Amino acid sequence: QTVVTQEPSFSVSPGGTVTLTCGLSSGSVSTSYFPSWYQQTPGQAPRTLIYGTNTRSSGVPDRFSGYILGNKAALTITGAQADDESHYYCVLYMGGGISVFGGGTKLTVL
Amino acid sequence: QVQLQESGPGLVKPSETLSLTCSVSGYSVSSVNYWAWIRQPPGKGLEWIGNIYHRGNTYYNPSLKSRVTMSVDTPKNQFSLKLSSVTAADTAMYYCARDLSRITIFGVITGTDGFDIWGQGTKVTVFS
Repeated sequence: QTVVTQEPSFSVSPGGTVTLTCGLSSGSVSTSYFPSWYQQTPGQAPRTLIYGTNTRSSGVPDRFSGYILGNKAALTITGAQADDESHYYCVLYMGGGISVFGGGTKLTVL
Repeated sequence: QVQLQESGPGLVKPSETLSLTCSVSGYSVSSVNYWAWIRQPPGKGLEWIGNIYHRGNTYYNPSLKSRVTMSVDTPKNQFSLKLSSVTAADTAMYYCARDLSRITIFGVITGTDGFDIWGQGTKVTVFS
């Protein structure tokens, strides 16, 4: 069974830029996987950031951008702020109506 | 404003059936989109359980398929999840979400624009 992979953790300095990735244990991610990205802070429900590879959800600042980077989906955060410190999850569409979450990346801003 | 609210027992005994309902306000469950259930065990990541269309089309996580049943109650504007034969591994926060899957006129999913609106979640503990 194909696993969706994400970096377990990442850190970024305030004001800095960070790129999180979302890959497959076997194969390459393309737009056909319709990657989406979600932000979750402790005790809260996830918040949708990006869908369809690169479309920002309503109200999401343009500091967040999604795209395909090589064989993975990527989420770049520019001008990192303290409240960007969260868990970030990607979801890939595997076909046959099935979606799979990645394991998530814990982003620390320090 | 579209809102989703999960409800159901917070405690379920092992081997019994977990039953949850998601009440939708500000939007019709009969609209042209799917509705999803997602869960998160304590301290762990998110897991897609499955989704349902108001016509009854369903897609389930293969690892849970044998135990999952979803349904829609259009008069009550709700949709529901049943998970049978629960064990401690099913202890989790359960979320419902509006699922923007791309679909054919027959309700077959061909892609997805993700989950745009989430409920606050309901905690379910499997405990004897």
